[in-house]
Amino acid sequence: AQSVTQPDIHITVSEGASLELRCNYSYGATPYLFWYVQSPGQGLQLLLKYFSGDTLVQGIKGFEAEFKRSQSSFNLRKPSVHWSDAAEYFCAVGTPTGTASKLTFGTGTRLQVTL
Amino acid sequence: DGGITQSPKYLFRKEGQNVTLSCEQNLNHDAMYWYRQDPGQGLRLIYYSQIVNDFQKGDIAEGYSVSREKKESFPLTVTSAQKNPTAFYLCASSTRLPGDEQFFGPGTRLTVL
Repeated sequence: AQSVTQPDIHITVSEGASLELRCNYSYGATPYLFWYVQSPGQGLQLLLKYFSGDTLVQGIKGFEAEFKRSQSSFNLRKPSVHWSDAAEYFCAVGTPTGTASKLTFGTGTRLQVTL
Repeated sequence: DGGITQSPKYLFRKEGQNVTLSCEQNLNHDAMYWYRQDPGQGLRLIYYSQIVNDFQKGDIAEGYSVSREKKESFPLTVTSAQKNPTAFYLCASSTRLPGDEQFFGPGTRLTVL
């Protein structure tokens, strides 16, 4: 069965600093990978996804992620963080079985941005 | 605007009562999902449905039930058998194309007193 590990429960960065959130997955085949963001008390919004092709994926709000098969990783990056980026971030792996996209989520990383 | 609605946003119930959470989507998606979110545990799949009149158990289905009588609607009932029902519940929908993302509703916070 697939699994997702987000090793950092909580990260604090200064506004304007760069950001990298880590995600490692376990899955036997090539996975579909997603990053979602959640503001407190809200639903999840998709930031970006990896389906196939170019391993560097661009998303909304200036985020990008790089799929590294050799490291089973899909880390999320942003070159300059804004205070509005403070939220919880979830990495997820999808099962490419031809059925609906059943997702397995990591436990999330809470980002705090200091001014 | 297309999207997913969940109602109510906050729900309070007494222990031992069944409660039904509403989820409606107008995205014309075939698949719908229910997740439970607890602090520090991410999202865990309760039930999912790929098509009308069909649904499958997720990872934590015990104490929950669902129905899928209409494409647009996927209500979740939290029964009295659920040992720890207080949580944040999220509904999502997607197409059935592999790799397509799930779209999420705003969630319902259920508190059982």
